[in-house]
Amino acid sequence: TQLLEQSPQFLSIQEGENLTVYCNSSSVFSSLQWYRQEPGEGPVLLVTVVTGGEVKKLKRLTFQFGDARKDSSLHITAAQPGDTGLYLCAGEVNSGGYQKVTFGTGTKLQVIP
Amino acid sequence: ETGVTQSPTHLIKTRGQQVTLRCSSQSGHNTVSWYQQALGQGPQFIFQYYREEENGRGNFPPRFSGLQFPNYSSELNVNALELDDSALYLCASSTRSPDEKLFFGSGTQLSVL
Repeated sequence: TQLLEQSPQFLSIQEGENLTVYCNSSSVFSSLQWYRQEPGEGPVLLVTVVTGGEVKKLKRLTFQFGDARKDSSLHITAAQPGDTGLYLCAGEVNSGGYQKVTFGTGTKLQVIP
Repeated sequence: ETGVTQSPTHLIKTRGQQVTLRCSSQSGHNTVSWYQQALGQGPQFIFQYYREEENGRGNFPPRFSGLQFPNYSSELNVNALELDDSALYLCASSTRSPDEKLFFGSGTQLSVL
């Protein structure tokens, strides 16, 4: 069973601050995805990283995949209230002929205006 | 808008009852995955359906079952409901390709009293 631990579990910061969310596992993944989920909605895909060491940027969000493809981080620069939500990492492996996606424990972010 | 629709949005049942949740996948997607999400936690994989057959299963008991129809829509059935089954049930559609992107519906909030 692939387990993905996210830290911190909760984060409350002021608008304009920077933050980093970590996603760690002992398992190797073929790819890792980051999602954001708002209350009453399903998760929405932000990015997929595939190559060990890969860095992707999405406006103020920077995503990095660890060299060994076991961990990842999400860095947000100058956080805004619209960034508030539950951030989920998800690792993908080929499991018995199908692509199994396992979600992390989640990081709940609150950005205070 | 992901094009994935779930019904109903909310449901209240009592312990021991049975429930059926429904999901219409995004156009062109042939794979449907179901997840259970407790409040503030990451989604837990229940099972995946591809071409009307169960293609993979998480750590859920047999009273969780499903169906996929020729139009790729899907149902999740839960028998003998327990209090711990109270959760948000999410459906995600995809194309079953490597690095597949999951497109989630807004979920069904199930409360078991």
